[in-house]
Amino acid sequence: GEDVEQSLFLSVREGDSSVINCTYTDSSSTYLYWYKQEPGAGLQLLTYIFSNMDMKQDQRLTVLLNKKDKHLSLRIADTQTGDSAIYFCADLNRDDKIIFGKGTRLHILP
Amino acid sequence: NAGVTQTPKFRVLKTGQSMTLLCAQDMNHEYMYWYRQDPGMGLRLIHYSVGEGTTAKGEVPDGYNVSRLKKQNFLLGLESAAPSQTSVYFCASSYPGSEQFFGPGTRLTVL
Repeated sequence: GEDVEQSLFLSVREGDSSVINCTYTDSSSTYLYWYKQEPGAGLQLLTYIFSNMDMKQDQRLTVLLNKKDKHLSLRIADTQTGDSAIYFCADLNRDDKIIFGKGTRLHILP
Repeated sequence: NAGVTQTPKFRVLKTGQSMTLLCAQDMNHEYMYWYRQDPGMGLRLIHYSVGEGTTAKGEVPDGYNVSRLKKQNFLLGLESAAPSQTSVYFCASSYPGSEQFFGPGTRLTVL
């Protein structure tokens, strides 16, 4: 079946860039999403990229998509303590089905 | 707009008790979903609905039932709670082919 994989943990120093990676198996993806979950809260959509795009930039966030390798990444520039959260990669396929990764917990070091 | 709301926020049950979790959305979304989130397991889809009066099984439906009598509400029922159902439950809604909007979650403990 379709799958979305991401590493479970990432530690980054405050002020550095964070890069969270995700791979997916679905070849019929239409949109790929990044969700952010802060402690004790639900998931909030952070950004998304349409499957025919290579890159999307939104302030401190850069999403890169390599369709050939089915690899998606989220770069957070100048990482702040408020960026500490769990980040979920998700893939929407042609059947309107969303598959979520298990989430990457981003820990910010002082 | 309240978005997606869930009640209750917290609940403690004893094994064998029943309860219903309520999800409500005011965005006129067709699709609604129930997930559970457990450490190291990510989000797992329990049941979903693509419209009023319709429901379908997700990845982990056993032990749960759902109903979508009104477009804006999606209920998740546990008929006989088990400790394995201790989890955080999230409801979400969406338009077809669009991103999902999540509720704040319900933390359920089954003793």
